[in-house]
Amino acid sequence: DAGITQSPRYKITETGRQVTLMCHQTWSHSYMFWYRQDLGHGLRLIYYSAAADITDKGEVPDGYVVSRSKTENFPLTLESATRSQTSVYFCASNSYPAGELFFGEGSRLTVL
Amino acid sequence: QQPVQSPQAVILREGEDAVINCSSSKALYSVHWYRQKHGEAPVFLMILLKGGEQKGHEKISASFNEKKQQSSLYLTASQLSYSGTYFCGTETFMNRDDKIIFGKGTRLHILP
Repeated sequence: DAGITQSPRYKITETGRQVTLMCHQTWSHSYMFWYRQDLGHGLRLIYYSAAADITDKGEVPDGYVVSRSKTENFPLTLESATRSQTSVYFCASNSYPAGELFFGEGSRLTVL
Repeated sequence: QQPVQSPQAVILREGEDAVINCSSSKALYSVHWYRQKHGEAPVFLMILLKGGEQKGHEKISASFNEKKQQSSLYLTASQLSYSGTYFCGTETFMNRDDKIIFGKGTRLHILP
């Protein structure tokens, strides 16, 4: 099905482990984004990408790594998970600057 | 830098009107508005570009005052389905690199 999908939808991990959240979109949108959502903070931008092989930091990039070797995929990796990274993570994409954002369903990550 | 939304929360009775404000300390290129239901992804409502335009979407409309770097979302004759958290997202002139930064959100609860 066309759209933007995230996996896994739910993940429980332990402190210090590496975790990768996947994001895949079928629209060939140029721009992709990762946000985290925490109570009291709203949606905060972690990383974004304007095209394949072009990524840039957002508001809260520390502790996260991204890559974008293909236009349709934008994985987010927590190299050594911490409890403060417990959150709901949303991937989003759009096709042009300042365009409508299309969000994935979210990935709920719990770090014990 | 996150835009500031006000109020943080609103409780209304069905049929009443509401205004949600969004302001930034930086010159804005565009303002996005999204609504999020509990447990779901944010859903696009509208985008306003610089030029002071006003847009409408059913009984939901918005204005953008670029001189004041402010936007307001107007919900008239609110319906139960309007309940949720509303987010404004901004793109600034200084960051014309297409990243969209969101405010902390305004929780809207409509009572029957």
